[in-house]
Amino acid sequence: GDSVTQTEGLVTLTKGLPVMLNCTYQTTYSPFLFWYVQHLNEAPKLLLKSSTDNKRTEHQGFYATLHKSSSSFHLQKSSVQLSDSALYFCALSDRGATGGLSGKLTFGEGTQVTVIS
Amino acid sequence: EAAVTQSPRNKVTVTGGNVTLSCRQTNSHNYMYWYRQDTGHGLRLIHYSYGAGNLQIGDVPDGYKATRTTQEDFFLLLELASPSQTSLYFCASSAGTESDYTFGSGTRLLVI
Repeated sequence: GDSVTQTEGLVTLTKGLPVMLNCTYQTTYSPFLFWYVQHLNEAPKLLLKSSTDNKRTEHQGFYATLHKSSSSFHLQKSSVQLSDSALYFCALSDRGATGGLSGKLTFGEGTQVTVIS
Repeated sequence: EAAVTQSPRNKVTVTGGNVTLSCRQTNSHNYMYWYRQDTGHGLRLIHYSYGAGNLQIGDVPDGYKATRTTQEDFFLLLELASPSQTSLYFCASSAGTESDYTFGSGTRLLVI
């Protein structure tokens, strides 16, 4: 079945530095990937999404490019801020037996990002 | 403003107890979902629905029932709660298969 792997469980970095959070996926069908961000004691919120190969998607300073050749959708930011401290989830939209999107999302385990000053 | 509202925010119950978690959305979305969030597991899908009266089984359905009474309301039922069901539960809605989710604020359940 479909799966999403986020290799870093915890990332701690200093304000102003760049960050890259890894996300790789496994699916038989054409992928549709999402990044969600969850701040402490809040609900997850959409950060960005993409189903287009090799096209950079950006939102709120974060960006990601879907690479079907490497099954990856890494999240990056050039300069992190204290407010970027949060839990980040990569998610893959599930496709049913016929290949159509089902509306279900399969989430990775999440990466906890802590930004220090 | 479109929203997903969950109740209660916190719940404590004993092993073997009956629990109902409620979710109401005002987004006019057809799709609704129940996820549980546990450290080291991310968000895992319990049950979901494509519309009133429709139910679909998710990835971790054991021990849970769900009911979608209207387009707005989606309930998660734990009829014999166990400590393994202690978790943070999120309800979400979406407009369609390519749409992002709107999540509720979560229900924190403790089974003792």
